[in-house]
Amino acid sequence: KAGVTQTPRYLIKTRGQQVTLSCSPISGHRSVSWYQQTPGQGLQFLFEYFSETQRNKGNFPGRFSGRQFSNSRSEMNVSTLELGDSALYLCASSAGQGREKLFFGSGTQLSVL
Amino acid sequence: AQTVTQSQPEMSVQEAETVTLSCTYDTSENNYYLFWYKQPPSRQMILVIRQEAYKQQNATENRFSVNFQKAAKSFSLKISDSQLGDTAMYFCAFLKTTISNFGNEKLTFGTGTRLTIIP
Repeated sequence: KAGVTQTPRYLIKTRGQQVTLSCSPISGHRSVSWYQQTPGQGLQFLFEYFSETQRNKGNFPGRFSGRQFSNSRSEMNVSTLELGDSALYLCASSAGQGREKLFFGSGTQLSVL
Repeated sequence: AQTVTQSQPEMSVQEAETVTLSCTYDTSENNYYLFWYKQPPSRQMILVIRQEAYKQQNATENRFSVNFQKAAKSFSLKISDSQLGDTAMYFCAFLKTTISNFGNEKLTFGTGTRLTIIP
């Protein structure tokens, strides 16, 4: 079974631009969640989608948004990028019933210049 | 809200020795899961072991085992016969769960312990 796939692996953007990150979950998994990892703040939960619906949202500004498609693939969008958005963005997938293990992708490293 | 604390920012141990990583957590929930994840330089977060709070028996996965003390809210990871490939950041994480359990796919992570295995 293929693992969680995140694309691209690396991104370099400038302030004010927007960016879209993609996550393909493990086949059969319906839940996709996103996390931001920075040296200063550690790992922070962004949001979680299940069957195309956002079920949970962390404490991030509205510039951070996401969506999930009918095939469970998810995208995350950050608009009006700020320097502080530079981070590793990790995606995790699970069956979505809350009792399973969450499996992570390798992440997208975003650098904002 | 839940909090997870890892009080050891860095640890090192000789290859083949045993090492224990500490984790404490704070919650008012009764039903939850605890995890240890490993993040090597490749950055991928790899699940090491999972413990259900309702189970008294400590989880074990090959060389990895936990000491789960629910009353003390402590969840330590023991790595036996450590190997060079165990060098990584280790994160303790908490997942709240309920009977119906939808909408709880939200992990709360500790700040991590950087473990180095010395040849």
